[in-house]
Amino acid sequence: NAGVTQTPKFRVLKTGQSMTLLCAQDMNHEYMYWYRQDPGMGLRLIHYSVGEGTTAKGEVPDGYNVSRLKKQNFLLGLESAAPSQTSVYFCASSFPIGTGGETQYFGPGTRLLVL
Amino acid sequence: GQNIDQPTEMTATEGAIVQINCTYQTSGFNGLFWYQQHAGEAPTFLSYNVLDGLEEKGRFSSFLSRSKGYSYLLLKELQMKDSASYLCAVLDSNYQLIWGAGTKLIIKP
Repeated sequence: NAGVTQTPKFRVLKTGQSMTLLCAQDMNHEYMYWYRQDPGMGLRLIHYSVGEGTTAKGEVPDGYNVSRLKKQNFLLGLESAAPSQTSVYFCASSFPIGTGGETQYFGPGTRLLVL
Repeated sequence: GQNIDQPTEMTATEGAIVQINCTYQTSGFNGLFWYQQHAGEAPTFLSYNVLDGLEEKGRFSSFLSRSKGYSYLLLKELQMKDSASYLCAVLDSNYQLIWGAGTKLIIKP
C-alpha cells in the first residue's frame, strides 16, 4: 500500500517548456487535489477532482491544466512554464467531503524550478 | 475574505510543553485540521476537530472553540523530532480546505 505517489520528485524547466506531473493513489479515494506550496504562504489549491472524468478550478488555476482519466490518477500539466511557477507541488487525495472521510493524504511532493 | 492566522515561528525546549494557536475567519465552518510537516516532506495528518472541546491523542491534543474562531495544538513532552511546521486548515461552508501559512516549531535541547 503505497498511499499517494508523485513523479517526478524534482525537475528543472526553462521558461516556455511544458511538463506533466503525475499523481497516483491506491486508497480508492474519489477526491484528488493539486496544491502548490510557496515560502511563507499556506498551501494553495490549483485544481481538484471529485471523481473520474471530472475536474474543477481551485484558488490558483491559471497556467495549469489537469486530467482525471482514471480514478487512481490525477495529472497536472504546465503548458508553458513561467518562473512564477517555481514551487513545490503536492498532490493529495481523500474520500468525499461531508462523509466523515475528509482527511487529505499527501504525496511526497515535486520540486519544480523554472529558469 | 477568508483568513487563518498562526504564529510564524515558535521555539521550545526538549521535554517542555508548547501551545500553537490558530484563529480563523471563514465563510462557514465544517471542521478544523492540524497537520505536521517536516522540512522537505509532505504534510501528515494530526487531528480533526468538528465539535468544541479538547481531543487528546498521546502527546498531542487539539482544542476547538467555534464561537471564538479559535483552535490550538498542544504538544507535551517535546522531542527533537517534533521540530517541524504545524499547519492549521479549516473546511469552509463549501467544503473547501483553507490553509494557514504554518507555524515553524524549533525544539532546543
